[in-house]
Amino acid sequence: NAGVTQTPKFQVLKTGQSMTLQCAQDMNHNSMYWYRQDPGMGLRLIYYSASEGTTDKGEVPNGYNVSRLNKREFSLRLESAAPSQTSVYFCASSEQGAYNSPLHFGNGTRLTVT
Amino acid sequence: QKEVEQDPGPLSVPEGAIVSLNCTYSNSAFQYFMWYRQYSRKGPELLMYTYSSGNKEDGRFTAQVDKSSKYISLFIRDSQPSDSATYLCAMNIQGGADGLTFGKGTHLIIQP
Repeated sequence: NAGVTQTPKFQVLKTGQSMTLQCAQDMNHNSMYWYRQDPGMGLRLIYYSASEGTTDKGEVPNGYNVSRLNKREFSLRLESAAPSQTSVYFCASSEQGAYNSPLHFGNGTRLTVT
Repeated sequence: QKEVEQDPGPLSVPEGAIVSLNCTYSNSAFQYFMWYRQYSRKGPELLMYTYSSGNKEDGRFTAQVDKSSKYISLFIRDSQPSDSATYLCAMNIQGGADGLTFGKGTHLIIQP
C-alpha cells in the first residue's frame, strides 16, 4: 500500500522557471492538502481540496496554483518560481475533512530556487 | 486566531527516561488534537489522536488534553533511541475542513 506518493523528491529551479509538483493517493480519500515546511515556521497550508472538484486557499497561497485532477491526484504548480519558495512541500490526504480524520502525508518534495 | 505554541528544543534525554512534550494554544474552538512524529527527511506520521479533553494511552505513549488551560501534552515512557524525531502537535475546530493548525515541532534526542 503506497499511501501518498509525491514526485519529484528533489528539484532545483532558477528564478522565474515553472514546475508542477505531483501528488497521488491510493486510499480513496476525499480531501487532499498541500503544505510547505520551513525551518522555524512549521507546516503551513498552501491549498486544499475538500472533495473532488473543489479547491480552496490556505494560509499561504500566493505564487501557487492547484488542480484536483481526479479523486486520487492533486497537483501544485509554481508559475514563476522565486527564492522565497525554497522549501519542503508535503502533500497529505484525509478520508473526510481534517477535523475528524487524520492526515496522511507523503515524504515531501525538496525544492530549491536559485 | 489559530496560533499554536511549541518549544522547538532540542530536548535531549537519556534512554529509558520519561519524556514530556507540550503545546499551548489560544483558540478555544479547537476540539481535535493530534500528535505527529516526523523523522528526518520523511513526512509526518500520526502518533496520537484525541477529541476534546482527557487522556488517551497507546503503548508507551499518552496524550493529555486540558482545554481549560489550552494545554496539550504527549508523554513517552521508557524512551528509546528510535523515538528520536521531531514531534508536531496539531489541532482543528469542529467542522474545520481546511487542514490542521500545526505547532512548529519539538526536536527530541534520546541518548543511548
